[in-house]
Amino acid sequence: DVKVTQSSRYLVKRTGEKVFLECVQDMDHENMFWYRQDPGLGLRLIYFSYDVKMKEKGDIPEGYSVSREKKERFSLILESASTNQTSMYLCASSVRQGADRSGAFFGQGTRLTVV
Amino acid sequence: KNQVEQSPQSLIILEGKNCTLQCNYTVSPFSNLRWYKQDTGRGPVSLTIMTFSENTKSNGRYTATLDADTKQSSLHITASQLSDSASYICVLPYSGGYQKVTFGTGTKLQVIP
Repeated sequence: DVKVTQSSRYLVKRTGEKVFLECVQDMDHENMFWYRQDPGLGLRLIYFSYDVKMKEKGDIPEGYSVSREKKERFSLILESASTNQTSMYLCASSVRQGADRSGAFFGQGTRLTVV
Repeated sequence: KNQVEQSPQSLIILEGKNCTLQCNYTVSPFSNLRWYKQDTGRGPVSLTIMTFSENTKSNGRYTATLDADTKQSSLHITASQLSDSASYICVLPYSGGYQKVTFGTGTKLQVIP
């Protein structure tokens, strides 16, 4: 069974803290993505990576950074958490487009609350 | 402006009834359209993919249709079950984007006994 695993289901952090969200996939996928999901706004892309050490900004990268040192692992970093970063964060992975008929596979999500 | 619009935003139906969810898009050029199901508190799971040459595709009680001329897709659920309660999200690749997709805001379906 294919799997994308996010390190935490729920997190509560204080304003100003540095926050790490970890994601691991076991499908040898080239692409990995971080999204946030807010009511009424749908999923919005924060960053994605198409290869080890490669990354590209999505639609809302401000306040976030990412790291991909190994193919299976993609980390999202909130440098200084703020209350407007309270959200559901979803990690996903996929094979390269063109070869992909199965879409992206998502993790179970991390609900982050910044207080 | 979001290039993928879904309707209705939310829907409540009785168990056993059918329903149809709509997706209108302006993304161009078109390559494929996916429907995802997202249970509350979970990540989305792919239900079906529609390519340009396909106008109907079924996955069990789910049937997706595509009209590339009017840029509309629908997801029809037959004989609904309580487990169908979820959000249903329509997704298309970015026009000109690299490996990125545009998500609709979803339709939240609640099936009640």
